Amino acid sequence: GAVVSQHPSWVICKSGTSVKIECRSLDFQATTMFWYRQFPKQSLMLMATSNEGSKATYEQGVEKDKFLINHASLTLSTLTVTSAHPEDSSFYICSAREGSSYNEQFFGPGTRLTVL
Amino acid sequence: AQSVTQPDIHITVSEGASLELRCNYSYGATPYLFWYVQSPGQGLQLLLKYFSGDTLVQGIKGFEAEFKRSQSSFNLRKPSVHWSDAAEYFCAVGAADKLIFGTGTRLQVFP
Repeated sequence: GAVVSQHPSWVICKSGTSVKIECRSLDFQATTMFWYRQFPKQSLMLMATSNEGSKATYEQGVEKDKFLINHASLTLSTLTVTSAHPEDSSFYICSAREGSSYNEQFFGPGTRLTVL
Repeated sequence: AQSVTQPDIHITVSEGASLELRCNYSYGATPYLFWYVQSPGQGLQLLLKYFSGDTLVQGIKGFEAEFKRSQSSFNLRKPSVHWSDAAEYFCAVGAADKLIFGTGTRLQVFP
């Protein structure tokens, strides 16, 4: 099956700094990428949907100025957590899909962010 | 509003025993339904999906699920569990180009 990678797999940063997380589709063209946030023992919550070359569409309650998403190519999307605070500590997961919404989303392994 | 409920947070079974993980959904139209498995350090992997047609869906790793419209359910089953099946399992409904996930069921398998 298709492979999606995320980098880094974990990151620790100080409060107030910004952190960038990369999501790459390794063997297919990801026309749409999704970013999720997962709290311990909870479900995946969709943060935003991005189509290559377009601005991301954010879910209600997600601050677009805090969680900057860039999807500049068909194989790479980035999520930047700006001015991170301890409450931003979480597990961030991306997924990627090629073409139609009927196609499968392939998920990355996730990135554990800890903000001190 | 669309939602997915997985009533069981944690299930423990013995290796070789049968398994059923429950999933109930709320969706106004014909749902697209999915089951994913999440293992530590790995991304979510699709086990099976239902779009239309036969309500009994076969998936990978010996899993199957049955769509029951009257009960708004899409329960996941496996006749004989292996120790390697220990993981977190998520049910999801496809709604307006998005996936809405349940809260997950953690499966523990005892030898």
